[in-house]
Amino acid sequence: QKEVEQNSGPLSVPEGAIASLNCTYSDRVSQSFFWYRQYSGKSPELIMSIYSNGDKEDGRFTAQLNKASQYVSLLIRDSQPSDSATYLCAVTTNAGKSTFGDGTTLTVKP
Amino acid sequence: EPEVTQTPSHQVTQMGQEVILRCVPISNHLYFYWYRQILGQKVEFLVSFYNNEISEKSEIFDDQFSVERPDGSNFTLKIRSTKLEDSAMYFCASTNSGSMYNEQFFGPGTRLTVL
Repeated sequence: QKEVEQNSGPLSVPEGAIASLNCTYSDRVSQSFFWYRQYSGKSPELIMSIYSNGDKEDGRFTAQLNKASQYVSLLIRDSQPSDSATYLCAVTTNAGKSTFGDGTTLTVKP
Repeated sequence: EPEVTQTPSHQVTQMGQEVILRCVPISNHLYFYWYRQILGQKVEFLVSFYNNEISEKSEIFDDQFSVERPDGSNFTLKIRSTKLEDSAMYFCASTNSGSMYNEQFFGPGTRLTVL
C-alpha cells in the first residue's frame, strides 16, 4: 500500500464547477497535511495546510480532514482555467519530512 | 518576499561525473531538505539537515550522495558518481522550525540530466 494515495486522474471539470481532489494516507501518526499545486516544470507551491479534523477554508479552496478515516481532500470552488495543474497531497510526520502522493492532474475547461 | 534560490537551473553531465547542486535557503531558516522528482513521477524525500548534520535520510540517499552547508548561506547536494537514473528535478526546501506544522518553502529546482 502506498503511504499517500491520491485519486487517479486526470480530472477534468468545466469552468465554474467544483473540483474535488482526494487523498488517503496509511500512517496513523501523521499529523500535518498539505496541498500543493505544481505547474509543469515548476516547484510545488503550497495552497493549504490542515492539522485538525474538519474543514478549513481559504478563498475558493476548502481542505477537509478526517483522521479516523485517514482521508484528506481539497475542494476548489468556481474552478478557473488557471487552476489547471497537478495537485499534490503531502503528509508530514516528524522532523518535517514530507511524503508526497503521485498527484492528480486537473484540467479546467473554459 | 524571501525565497529559496537554486543554481544552476539546468545541469547536464556525463555518467560517472560528480555534480554539486546549490541552494540558498531563506536566511532565518534552520532546517533544510532535498527532494527529487523524476519526470512524470512523484516528489520524493532525500534528506533533511539541521545544525550541520543529517536529521533523516531516505533509502535513495545512498553513499553516492552527500550534503553540506559550507558557509552561512549555501546548502549543497553532491552526487559523487552520477548514474542515468539520477536524472531528475532536484528541489531544495527550507523551514524555520522542524515542527511538522511548519510550511516548507521550495526552491525553483535544478533539472539534472545525466547522459
